[in-house]
Amino acid sequence: DTEVTQTPKHLVMGMTNKKSLKCEQHMGHRAMYWYKQKAKKPPELMFVYSYEKLSINESVPSRFSPECPNSSLLNLHLHALQPEDSALYLCASSLPGQGSTDTQYFGPGTRLTVL
Amino acid sequence: GDSVTQMEGPVTLSEEAFLTINCTYTATGYPSLFWYVQYPGEGLQLLLKATKADDKGSNKGFEATYRKETTSFHLEKGSVQVSDSAVYFCALTVNTGGFKTIFGAGTRLFVKA
Repeated sequence: DTEVTQTPKHLVMGMTNKKSLKCEQHMGHRAMYWYKQKAKKPPELMFVYSYEKLSINESVPSRFSPECPNSSLLNLHLHALQPEDSALYLCASSLPGQGSTDTQYFGPGTRLTVL
Repeated sequence: GDSVTQMEGPVTLSEEAFLTINCTYTATGYPSLFWYVQYPGEGLQLLLKATKADDKGSNKGFEATYRKETTSFHLEKGSVQVSDSAVYFCALTVNTGGFKTIFGAGTRLFVKA
């Protein structure tokens, strides 16, 4: 299994809603990532988990709350989002062996629209 | 700081034409370099990578060589196909206390039949 799955594929939410994005992989990877990608822009790193511990937080607003309950699962909890948070949210995973040489495997993304 | 600069697109080519997409980088230390491809409506897929100077990454007819002296990692393909139409991202990974990947702006490629 060389796949990273993300659910849901599409999500529309109001600014007062609370929702969660889910990412799952069964490749034995121990590093997992959340990226935000706006239209026609590159992915921007949000969070990195390594061995289920948060290792990088790129100064992301607290309305985004990541969670890594186990080595296969990564969640992104959303609360009180703004319309400018509308984007494609990509999850990725990698095998933290050599570190900087590791290939990241990306999921197809969740397209989020905040009304 | 660390950064990646790619040539701006879109790039439009006819089928079987030669492709070059330029990529240069700025980084402290010894980054690994990657090319990722994103097809419409999908996530990113690794196309190729190189982890040290003078390494050549290759896959599906695409090639790129890690040039430390010119801090470049240009993507080339000898004969493009319509199915190569996609957005191509050059990226580097550096150790900043955790391993962080920085992407270039992306270059959109259109290949006409």
